[in-house]
Amino acid sequence: AQRVTQPEKLLSVFKGAPVELKCNYSYSGSPELFWYVQYSRQRLQLLLRHISRESIKGFTADLNKGETSFHLKKPFAQEEDSAMYYCALGNNAGNMLTFGGGTRLMVKP
Amino acid sequence: DSGVTQTPKHLITATGQRVTLRCSPRSGDLSVYWYQQSLDQGLQFLIQYYNGEERAKGNILERFSAQQFPDLHSELNLSSLELGDSALYFCASSFTGIGLLNFGSGTRLTVV
Repeated sequence: AQRVTQPEKLLSVFKGAPVELKCNYSYSGSPELFWYVQYSRQRLQLLLRHISRESIKGFTADLNKGETSFHLKKPFAQEEDSAMYYCALGNNAGNMLTFGGGTRLMVKP
Repeated sequence: DSGVTQTPKHLITATGQRVTLRCSPRSGDLSVYWYQQSLDQGLQFLIQYYNGEERAKGNILERFSAQQFPDLHSELNLSSLELGDSALYFCASSFTGIGLLNFGSGTRLTVV
């Protein structure tokens, strides 16, 4: 069975502060991990995926297989980063994407 | 705009009733996924279809069923509705595979 855990339901930081949204996963196969974001009144959309190793809107995420984690980081948070963030795990068959419970990030001015 | 269309946006119905939620995937996407989002459970995977065939099943109740039609649109049927079925139901579509999902704006179902 695959499982994704986001331990923080809410994370509140000040503008300019570093931010780290935690994600841990459980999966017996080779994981494919993603971060999705939902801004206010917008659809859920893909933010980044681990295989592309890219930085999107200043966010990065590194897959740590030893710790089974895929934390999302940004060195300097902006107010426009306030949103709901979901970590997601894809299975090897490529037909199921399991989401974590989500973390609401609030960036205060 | 993701190109995924879900109708209706809102639905209010009584317990014991049956409803159908509709999803039109983004043009060219062959896969359709259904998710249920409730306050206490987060996003729960229900079912996936690829080009008309069921490919994966998640925690979908027996009272729920879905199908994907030849034109690739999909319908999620919910029957014998209970108060606990009240939730946001999302449809997503994909062309290139898992993880790269295009989400619709959801259907908010309220069972009273």
